[in-house]
Amino acid sequence: GAGVSQSPRYKVAKRGQDVALRCDPISGHVSLFWYQQALGQGPEFLTYFQNEAQLDKSGLPSDRFFAERPEGSVSTLKIQRTQQEDSAVYLCASSLVRFRGAGDEKLFFGSGTQLSVL
Amino acid sequence: AQTVTQSQPEMSVQEAETVTLSCTYDTSESDYYLFWYKQPPSRQMILVIRQEAYKQQNATENRFSVNFQKAAKSFSLKISDSQLGDAAMYFCAYRRHYGGATNKLIFGTGTLLAVQP
Repeated sequence: GAGVSQSPRYKVAKRGQDVALRCDPISGHVSLFWYQQALGQGPEFLTYFQNEAQLDKSGLPSDRFFAERPEGSVSTLKIQRTQQEDSAVYLCASSLVRFRGAGDEKLFFGSGTQLSVL
Repeated sequence: AQTVTQSQPEMSVQEAETVTLSCTYDTSESDYYLFWYKQPPSRQMILVIRQEAYKQQNATENRFSVNFQKAAKSFSLKISDSQLGDAAMYFCAYRRHYGGATNKLIFGTGTLLAVQP
């Protein structure tokens, strides 16, 4: 596609529900990041994929958060048993090249999914 | 650990005037990238300008320029001839140049820029 696509744009969940957020990166992009942006804050890193391999999940806040990218393209961020503190915008970003080297990598962001947990 | 600080939660500028947004950061590394991103209400992060730490020359992109002071760990953004479309949240961000760890972006808390007609 022309850009990074995320769905749904808005998601309202009752506390305790499981949610799944989808990211379609730009076709052919190797690197994929998930960020969490709480209200009034800057985005914070959650996890990083290089193709299908999840190379860094150090930012995931708890074991209720799980991300996958099984075929190296579409990625899903799953949150189990949602809590009110999970309310945030979840941003996905992709890049053509690997991030473990120096280079002129440009990162493309999606418009995010705004999750509200009631 | 690296940190990025934006001390101006909100700024306002008149259309056609110039405004400067401030950013300071902390790192022990010598090679890194610094960025300014714009986030309009659509939520999509848009890259405004990028600076490589090993380059002494300040980056410029049309009406946008930076004042990079490496020793002071300061990285301010100057917007000249401000336009109504410049109104948005602006984030300063840091990324290490290379290394074994993920080259994730570390963001500041943002500055909300309003442009007055």
